[in-house]
Amino acid sequence: AQTVTQSQPEMSVQEAETVTLSCTYDTSESDYYLFWYKQPPSRQMILVIRQEAYKQQNATENRFSVNFQKAAKSFSLKISDSQLGDAAMYFCAYRLGGGTYKYIFGTGTRLKVLA
Amino acid sequence: GAVVSQHPSRVICKSGTSVKIECRSLDFQATTMFWYRQFPKQSLMLMATSNEGSKATYEQGVEKDKFLINHASLTLSTLTVTSAHPEDSSFYICSASPRGYGYTFGSGTRLTVV
Repeated sequence: AQTVTQSQPEMSVQEAETVTLSCTYDTSESDYYLFWYKQPPSRQMILVIRQEAYKQQNATENRFSVNFQKAAKSFSLKISDSQLGDAAMYFCAYRLGGGTYKYIFGTGTRLKVLA
Repeated sequence: GAVVSQHPSRVICKSGTSVKIECRSLDFQATTMFWYRQFPKQSLMLMATSNEGSKATYEQGVEKDKFLINHASLTLSTLTVTSAHPEDSSFYICSASPRGYGYTFGSGTRLTVV
């Protein structure tokens, strides 16, 4: 069975600094997708970034980038130039490819941004 | 694009009554929608996959008779919590997206059963 593990329940970062959130997963499949979602206090789930497992290049979205290590089954999120609005819960998620749309979420990391 | 609307955002109901939660895709058609449940300070757990025009697929351990799902049109799925009890109090979130990937989430519904 696939699992997603986020070992950091809480992280803090100074405004304008860089922070990395960790995520590891376990799967025997080769076709899958990985995601980072942000959940602010409003509870709205917001897609931050996604990575296709077949792509070697790490995904990047403005200040957000990932370090995808397929062999190590690691998928960390780097947030550069942290802003107060980045404060939220961040969930790592896995989805199997090939027409299966079930997501498996990690337990989340609460990110605090200090002014 | 790809906006998912969920209603209501909050609902309080008495124990033993039923409550309906709606999930709508506003600018696309969704043949598949997904329903999640999130307990306080916990992750999202998939409850069921809602399929337009056919029966929903429930995850193991989810009571089909308690959580009724109806996907009657390409833009609307409903989750009805029947005979609600305090332990059903939770945050319920739906998701959908064009082509069925389900990566856009609604704003969620906080259900409180008193």
